[in-house]
Amino acid sequence: AIQLTQSPSSLSASLGDRVTITCRASQDIRRDLAWYQQKSGESPKLLISHASSLERGVPSRFSGSGSGTDFTLTISSLQPEDFATYYCQQFNSDPLTFGGGTKVEIK
Amino acid sequence: QVQLVQSGPDVKKPGASVKVSCRASGYNFVRYTLSWIRQAPGQGLEWLGWISPFNNNTSYVQKVQGRIAMTTDTTTSTAYMELRSLRSDDTAVYYCARVIDQVLAPAFDSWGQGSLVIVSS
Repeated sequence: AIQLTQSPSSLSASLGDRVTITCRASQDIRRDLAWYQQKSGESPKLLISHASSLERGVPSRFSGSGSGTDFTLTISSLQPEDFATYYCQQFNSDPLTFGGGTKVEIK
Repeated sequence: QVQLVQSGPDVKKPGASVKVSCRASGYNFVRYTLSWIRQAPGQGLEWLGWISPFNNNTSYVQKVQGRIAMTTDTTTSTAYMELRSLRSDDTAVYYCARVIDQVLAPAFDSWGQGSLVIVSS
């Protein structure tokens, strides 16, 4: 199974900060990667698919990049509603797998 | 709008079985594959497998192969996930999620609210 390693596992940031989360795959997954946001007590929400395609309704401060084995999720200016845990997920091959998550907390 | 509404929480003893339901609305049920994903307390997300309501084809992750069964009822637009021989490490919130496109984009664009399953003696 393809392993996804997210870093950092947690971070503290202030409102307005630029935040970058990375996701590294154990083998080449082309651009077959999605990003999700999960707020405490809620279901995950799809933010980005195919590494950089923003889902409809997702604010433009979110962006994704990368291909192959290295990917990033960037929040250009952190807003109060962005404090959550973020997960990457590969869909290149079965079994589908998720990264371990990155918790974004308030500094 | 797309909605996936799941069954309520359940408490089971080790060795028992649990069946979680997921009722879909707001879209053509048979056109989209559904996945089941679980999240143990304080942990990350674990994909368990998927089912196509169109032809009932299934694929399960090896970890639960032999203990899991996913089914659908197209007359009620409901998917089911049954997990047998429950163990304490099966304690988790179980989510159903709609797959955007099983071939081109197997990501999950709509999620149920989650069903907590607790396995405890």
